[in-house]
Amino acid sequence: DAGVIQSPRHEVTEMGQEVTLRCKPISGHNSLFWYRQTMMRGLELLIYFNNNVPIDDSGMPEDRFSAKMPNASFSTLKIQPSEPRDSAVYFCASSDQGRWSTEQFFGPGTRLTVL
Amino acid sequence: AQSVSQHNHHVILSEAASLELGCNYSYGGTVNLFWYVQYPGQHLQLLLKYFSGDPLVKGIKGFEAEFIKSKFSFNLRKPSVQWSDTAEYFCAVSSFGGNEKLTFGTGTRLTIIP
Repeated sequence: DAGVIQSPRHEVTEMGQEVTLRCKPISGHNSLFWYRQTMMRGLELLIYFNNNVPIDDSGMPEDRFSAKMPNASFSTLKIQPSEPRDSAVYFCASSDQGRWSTEQFFGPGTRLTVL
Repeated sequence: AQSVSQHNHHVILSEAASLELGCNYSYGGTVNLFWYVQYPGQHLQLLLKYFSGDPLVKGIKGFEAEFIKSKFSFNLRKPSVQWSDTAEYFCAVSSFGGNEKLTFGTGTRLTIIP
């Protein structure tokens, strides 16, 4: 298996632009997680889906952030408009819920820089 | 709500030294516990996990962790570190049998000096 796939790996954009991050979970996994990692705040869970349905979006910082999972093999995290404070590494992870002790598998991350 | 504390922010050791990284969690129920490692420039990888049973858990690359319920702790140990262990280490907790939401600690950066 290729593991969790994220694109792009690096994104540099200007303040006010729309940014879309993409994630393909491991085939067969039914839960997907979006995290943000910064030096100041560490690793934060933004939102997670189970069977394509958002379960907990309490970590989404504000309305500029939105996430979708239109099918089991694809998810997007969108920031519109982007701001410099959104600069971070964004990780996607997936897991196979259904077992009582699940492990999350992380993707390589997208390093976002907003100028 | 769950929370995880990692009190060591940056640890510097020489090769062959013994390692112990602290992790304490706060949660009223039964938990699953994890240690993840992030090598420089890479994504998080699972080192080891505890669900139930033997509180001493062995993971990859010679790491182990001990769950001490009375202390709400899950410290990571390795008897002899190598330069390749230089990385950031994250402790995480999820509620047993509940949703899968992982709560991570702030991480401990480990630097091994050759």
